[in-house]
Amino acid sequence: EVQLVESGGGVVRPGGSLRLSCAASGFIFDDFGMSWVRQSPGKGLEWVAGISWNGGIITYADSVKGRFTISRDDAKNSLYLQMNSLRVEDTALYYCVRDRTENNWFDPWGQGTLVTVSS
Amino acid sequence: DIQMTQSPSSLSASVGDRVTITCQASQDINNYLNWYQQKPGKAPKFLIYDASNLEKGVPSRFSGSGSGTDFTLTISSLQPEDIATYYCQQYDNFPPTFGQGTKLEIK
Repeated sequence: EVQLVESGGGVVRPGGSLRLSCAASGFIFDDFGMSWVRQSPGKGLEWVAGISWNGGIITYADSVKGRFTISRDDAKNSLYLQMNSLRVEDTALYYCVRDRTENNWFDPWGQGTLVTVSS
Repeated sequence: DIQMTQSPSSLSASVGDRVTITCQASQDINNYLNWYQQKPGKAPKFLIYDASNLEKGVPSRFSGSGSGTDFTLTISSLQPEDIATYYCQQYDNFPPTFGQGTKLEIK
């Protein structure tokens, strides 16, 4: 069974940092691109960052470019999101998602990890 | 970025009803559209790809149609387990973008 399990969320002050992790299992991790998608009450679903199957192509939403860094460790079947200079508007549930086709078909999704940015 | 607009934002219907949700793109996206189903407290689930192709295991009462800028998700006979929020998503242009969601409730 394909499974994605996120961790690392929490409460952080504006300007602070967090590192999210996603442990993947049930599929050949280095065959697939991966992304982070977030969900907040005010902005719905928002794609945040993506990394290709070999790590050669990395892309970001304009809203996080320069502050967030996506990476992967294929030896550990893991995806990461380093989030720096966090803002109140980054508050959301962050999902790790597999890109099934390298065309942004998001399937499946993890259960999400909650990030709250508040003073 | 391509804007995806869903209507209605919420919908109340009875079991057995035919339900239609629409999604409009701000520019032509060919048929590069996916639909997701998010049940309360759960992560979104991949439902339909390329506007009209059902993912394996999705009940045949679900169908998708459309091309260009206008798309439709139809449930032919609403069941209680279909209560969820439905999202469309375009993947024609970078970045991939989602509609704001349509919350489906049982009347």
